[in-house]
Amino acid sequence: DVKVTQSSRYLVKRTGEKVFLECVQDMDHENMFWYRQDPGLGLRLIYFSYDVKMKEKGDIPEGYSVSREKKERFSLILESASTNQTSMYLCASSSTGTRGFGSGTRLTVV
Amino acid sequence: QQQVKQSPQSLIVQKGGISIINCAYENTAFDYFPWYQQFPGKGPALLIAIRPDVSEKKEGRFTISFNKSAKQFSLHIMDSQPGDSATYFCAASPSGSARQLTFGSGTQLTVLP
Repeated sequence: DVKVTQSSRYLVKRTGEKVFLECVQDMDHENMFWYRQDPGLGLRLIYFSYDVKMKEKGDIPEGYSVSREKKERFSLILESASTNQTSMYLCASSSTGTRGFGSGTRLTVV
Repeated sequence: QQQVKQSPQSLIVQKGGISIINCAYENTAFDYFPWYQQFPGKGPALLIAIRPDVSEKKEGRFTISFNKSAKQFSLHIMDSQPGDSATYFCAASPSGSARQLTFGSGTQLTVLP
C-alpha cells in the first residue's frame, strides 16, 4: 500500500504568517499532488509535481507555492496565510493514476 | 474547467438498504472512473474503479454502473452497513494521464443501524 505521511494533523496559524505543509511518500512515485478539501466542493487540485524540481499549477494555485527538492517529499507553502485558506489539505502520490492520500492537515488561519 | 457532477450531497439509508450515488461528466476524453471512500480523519482511499469498455464492475457489495452514451456512472452499495458511513467521491481522468483526476463534490453517506 502507498504510504503518504503529512507532518501535521492540525495547525493553527495567524493571518500573514508563512506556512509550510510537509508531505512524504514511501513508494518512489513520480507524481505528487496537493489538494484542498472543502465541504460541498470536493477535492480541488492546488499544485502537482511529476518530477523533482518540477511543478505545475492545478485549479486553484493562487496564494500557494510548492517545493519538491527530493522525490519523496513535496511541500506546500502559503506565503502569507489568509483566513480563506482555512481548510483541509490533502497530499497524494501516484505512479500510474491511482492516488494514495495522506490523512490530511486541517489548517485554521486566525 | 472539466467537471464531474455528483449527487446527492448527502444520503441516509437504513441498514440493509441500497445506497446509490450518481455522477455525470462532460469530457468524452475521460476513460478512467474511480470511486474513493473517505472516513472521518482519514484521506480518501480507492474503493473501486471502472473503464468504459465495461458497463458494470462489482467488488463484493460495491458495484459501479457505467453508461457511456449518457456520460453517467454510479456507485451502488448493496446491503449497506453502518460501517459504510463515510464520504464518497467519484472521479474521472483522461486516458494515459497520471496527473489529471477530476473529483466530484462528494456524498456524505449515513447508514442507520
